Amino acid sequence: EVQLVESGGGLVQPGGSLRLSCAASGFTFSSYRMNWVRQAPGKGLEWVAYISSDTRTIYYADSVRGRFTISRDNARNSLYLQMNSLRDEDTAVYYCARGRDAYNYWGQGTLVTVSS
Amino acid sequence: DIVVTQSPDSLAVSLGERATINCKSSQSVLYSSNNNNYLAWYQQKPGQPPKLLIYWASTRESGVPDRFSGSGSGTDFTLTISSLQAEDVAVYYCQQYYSTPPTFGQGTKLEIK
Repeated sequence: EVQLVESGGGLVQPGGSLRLSCAASGFTFSSYRMNWVRQAPGKGLEWVAYISSDTRTIYYADSVRGRFTISRDNARNSLYLQMNSLRDEDTAVYYCARGRDAYNYWGQGTLVTVSS
Repeated sequence: DIVVTQSPDSLAVSLGERATINCKSSQSVLYSSNNNNYLAWYQQKPGQPPKLLIYWASTRESGVPDRFSGSGSGTDFTLTISSLQAEDVAVYYCQQYYSTPPTFGQGTKLEIK
């Protein structure tokens, strides 16, 4: 069974940093492209970042470029999102999602709250 | 960026009746070389992550009931639920993956009338 489990969310002050993790199981993680997608409270879905299976190709949303870094460790079956210089508007549930085109598997999400 | 707009924002349909949600992209998401429309539909229930229903505009994901269908091409798409069931109450999103950044519609909230 495919599973994606996010962790690392929490309360952080504006300007602070946080590192999210996504543990993958039930599939050959190293063969799949991965993404982070977020959802602010009561709002819609916003794609955040993409990483190819071999880490050679990475894309970011304009809203996070230069502040967030996506990475992966295929040996550990894990996806990461390093978030620096956090802003109030980064408050959201962050999901990891599998796929390059449509996202057929999503984790349950981890809540990041940026507030003083 | 491709802007994706859904209509209506909310919809109330009686049990057993048809529900129709529309999605319009600001530019075509049809890739001519393979004749695929790079558009997906997701269902999100409260407190849950989105669930993929439809990809390539009309291909149903494995395990999705056949009352869900997708249609359309180019810039105009439709998600149809042929006979609404109580468990279909959710917010529905369309997404284009034709170009980066992939973008989602604002969502359509579907309720029982």
